[in-house]
Amino acid sequence: DGGITQSPKYLFRKEGQNVTLSCEQNLNHDAMYWYRQDPGQGLRLIYYSQIVNDFQKGDIAEGYSVSREKKESFPLTVTSAQKNPTAFYLCASQDSHNSPLHFGNGTRLTVT
Amino acid sequence: EDQVTQSPEALRLQEGESSSLNCSYTVSGLRGLFWYRQDPGKGPEFLFTLYSAGEEKEKERLKATLTKKESFLHITAPKPEDSATYLCAVQPGGGSYIPTFGRGTSLIVHP
Repeated sequence: DGGITQSPKYLFRKEGQNVTLSCEQNLNHDAMYWYRQDPGQGLRLIYYSQIVNDFQKGDIAEGYSVSREKKESFPLTVTSAQKNPTAFYLCASQDSHNSPLHFGNGTRLTVT
Repeated sequence: EDQVTQSPEALRLQEGESSSLNCSYTVSGLRGLFWYRQDPGKGPEFLFTLYSAGEEKEKERLKATLTKKESFLHITAPKPEDSATYLCAVQPGGGSYIPTFGRGTSLIVHP
């Protein structure tokens, strides 16, 4: 079945450590997105990529980095510069600009 | 700037008690309006796309409608399994293709 796979589901890290969240899709979609979801805040866009080897900052990119070396993969690194990294992270892909987003089931990151 | 406002923030219904969720939006050229359902600890699941004012879509107990300023998600005779957070998003036209999401409505249906 086609879809988006995020791993791991839960991730625990110590403050000051970088951590990379995985996102893989087999839907052959060009566009991919990373969102952060906090209680009462809705979805906030971190980074997005329209094509391979190209990506753009979203509304809250500070403290995060991404890469898009393959169409199927869009990993997100949460760096030690991110002040409040504990959150639920969602990855999504999109077939075309008229199409809905397809979401993974998220990674819950806890930094202590 | 594109904006999406959903109301109410939270809604509690008794099983069988019909109601509506609202999504008001301002966007530069609407390419599409999307409704999603999100269960706790999971990613949003796509429900409907609406493209133009007057359009309606239905799926089981849910019906989505669209005007030039807002969309409604009508829930008829809800069941406890309809409990979830419902998200609305707009896809703008023009040069920006980035969808803007509302904060969602948390729906609880009591048996």
